[in-house]
Amino acid sequence: DAGVTQSPTHLIKTRGQQVTLRCSPKSGHDTVSWYQQALGQGPQFIFQYYEEEERQRGNFPDRFSGHQFPNYSSELNVNALLLGDSALYLCASSPTGIHSYNEQFFGPGTRLTVL
Amino acid sequence: AQSVTQLGSHVSVSEGALVLLRCNYSSSVPPYLFWYVQYPNQGLQLLLKYTSAATLVKGINGFEAEFKKSETSFHLTKPSAHMSDAAEYFCAVSGIDRLTFGKGTHLIIQP
Repeated sequence: DAGVTQSPTHLIKTRGQQVTLRCSPKSGHDTVSWYQQALGQGPQFIFQYYEEEERQRGNFPDRFSGHQFPNYSSELNVNALLLGDSALYLCASSPTGIHSYNEQFFGPGTRLTVL
Repeated sequence: AQSVTQLGSHVSVSEGALVLLRCNYSSSVPPYLFWYVQYPNQGLQLLLKYTSAATLVKGINGFEAEFKKSETSFHLTKPSAHMSDAAEYFCAVSGIDRLTFGKGTHLIIQP
């Protein structure tokens, strides 16, 4: 079992550009959540996808969007990049059903640097 | 709404000494609580979780945590620190669809 995988591992963009990050969930998991972890901070919830739909969203602007595919993999898109978008972006997956006690399994993250 | 406060952004202990990382939570519903560890340039790994079954929870690598409702606390402990425990530790509370994390505590192990 490969666990949660994310690509790319590192990415450098300039202000105003657009970026797409990818995530493959752990085998058997169908729910994917995205978190942003700024330097020196804890992860902050961006949104969650289940059954190919965005179920819940954190306090992030519409520049942040996502998608979930039929195989449960997911993409995070960020448009009009700002310097403040520089962060580690973490993907987490969890098994069937939305239960608050379910453990979320995290991937290694994508380090995005905006210049 | 849920929130987590981790007391102490940095904690330094000697190898072999007791590790105590503090976490206080706020939750409008009975909470599910988690401790995660993050090594440099890696994602988060679950250490342990509280899901109302038992107040004293044992996790991996010798860590344990005790849920105290009256104190709204979920402190993480380990009897004897090892150099390999040096990492960032995050306490988190679970809502219906998301985890809310504290800002983290950087654990430093002195030889």
